[in-house]
Amino acid sequence: TQLLEQSPQFLSIQEGENLTVYCNSSSVFSSLQWYRQEPGEGPVLLVTVVTGGEVKKLKRLTFQFGDARKDSSLHITAAQPGDTGLYLCAAISSGSARQLTFGSGTQLTVLP
Amino acid sequence: DAGVTQSPTHLIKTRGQQVTLRCSPKSGHDTVSWYQQALGQEPQFIFQYYEEEERQRGNFPDRFSGHQFPNYSSELNVNALLLGDSALYLCASTISPWGDTQYFGPGTRLTVL
Repeated sequence: TQLLEQSPQFLSIQEGENLTVYCNSSSVFSSLQWYRQEPGEGPVLLVTVVTGGEVKKLKRLTFQFGDARKDSSLHITAAQPGDTGLYLCAAISSGSARQLTFGSGTQLTVLP
Repeated sequence: DAGVTQSPTHLIKTRGQQVTLRCSPKSGHDTVSWYQQALGQEPQFIFQYYEEEERQRGNFPDRFSGHQFPNYSSELNVNALLLGDSALYLCASTISPWGDTQYFGPGTRLTVL
């Protein structure tokens, strides 16, 4: 059973369109992170959301943490080809080692 | 300011062989974590090293072992390679074991034939 379920798994859109990626779980998290990974590279941290209901904006990217801290979403406005990549949500363990548990990922392709 | 570096970039081995992957953390970081990412999958936590000791381990067999050196660099060793060990192996460093911001290296692509 996947701790973090992401949807959709694959998304192919035209440049200029908007999109939303979802990260859902039955567990409550103290925080969630979103990463973007490009081919041949490691994941790069985009944002950490901590407070239930929190909304963070990073240029054209808007991240929201659910009120119950069980889910999160990533919305991209006016997508560009440079947004193409694998988007991963991740939960940080609360133990002594901050290990990450990643969601299944959303592969986004933005066509010019 | 150097980021996380990993070597080699690519590696091809045959079943039963042993492999060693290397990682240098970001400057100022003392904690290193290793992840395995199979093709088309998300990264899976292998283990974390701090003060030259393994602090936490994911669901991986004992064939996977590691080491951290006094300069904070780390090695991942895999013995008796299986075809299923083919993956991108990612190293991530943090400023401490309690740091929430992990910086990932570009990974080592291991292919087992």
